[in-house]
Amino acid sequence: GENVEQHPSTLSVQEGDSAVIKCTYSDSASNYFPWYKQELGKRPQLIIDIRSNVGEKKDQRIAVTLNKTAKHFSLHITETQPEDSAVYFCAAPNNDMRFGAGTRLTVKP
Amino acid sequence: GAVVSQHPSWVICKSGTSVKIECRSLDFQATTMFWYRQFPKQSLMLMATSNEGSKATYEQGVEKDKFLINHASLTLSTLTVTSAHPEDSSFYICSARERAPYNEQFFGPGTRLTVL
Repeated sequence: GENVEQHPSTLSVQEGDSAVIKCTYSDSASNYFPWYKQELGKRPQLIIDIRSNVGEKKDQRIAVTLNKTAKHFSLHITETQPEDSAVYFCAAPNNDMRFGAGTRLTVKP
Repeated sequence: GAVVSQHPSWVICKSGTSVKIECRSLDFQATTMFWYRQFPKQSLMLMATSNEGSKATYEQGVEKDKFLINHASLTLSTLTVTSAHPEDSSFYICSARERAPYNEQFFGPGTRLTVL
């Protein structure tokens, strides 16, 4: 199955700063790259995804960039707010759906 | 987005009993469903991949005789934890994926299992 590595495991930023989380994957056949946000005790929620035919996608304060050659993709959150505090997971699903280890983001007011 | 339901949302049982968790896709046909286990402050660990009408594929280290998975229809998959023990206490989450070419997965709300 696909191996997905995610960094950092924890990230603390000041409100208003940017946050970047990176993932690398191993299967070159992967063509869909989602990012999920999970709040404590709740289900993961898809926040943004990108397919392999584009290099970047934005949705308001959230963006994802993809480098297929290097097999990595990143989540960018700008102008962070306290409500962005959560655990973020990446995945690079092909036939199965394994997640990265997660990044616990804390936005300090 | 599509809706996936999971039942029950929480369950407390005695050691040695079996618990069944249901996962349903409410408004789409899920050819593939996934079962995850999540311990506190840890990632979602894939337990098994379930395809409708065929046997589930279990991840290494997951006992198929202990975690029975049945994907009887395109909208329902069940996970039965047999002879549950306290170490099985965890948050179990299912997800469902639509037919290709859509890759997006939709998660159920999770089931918190506590084994006394």
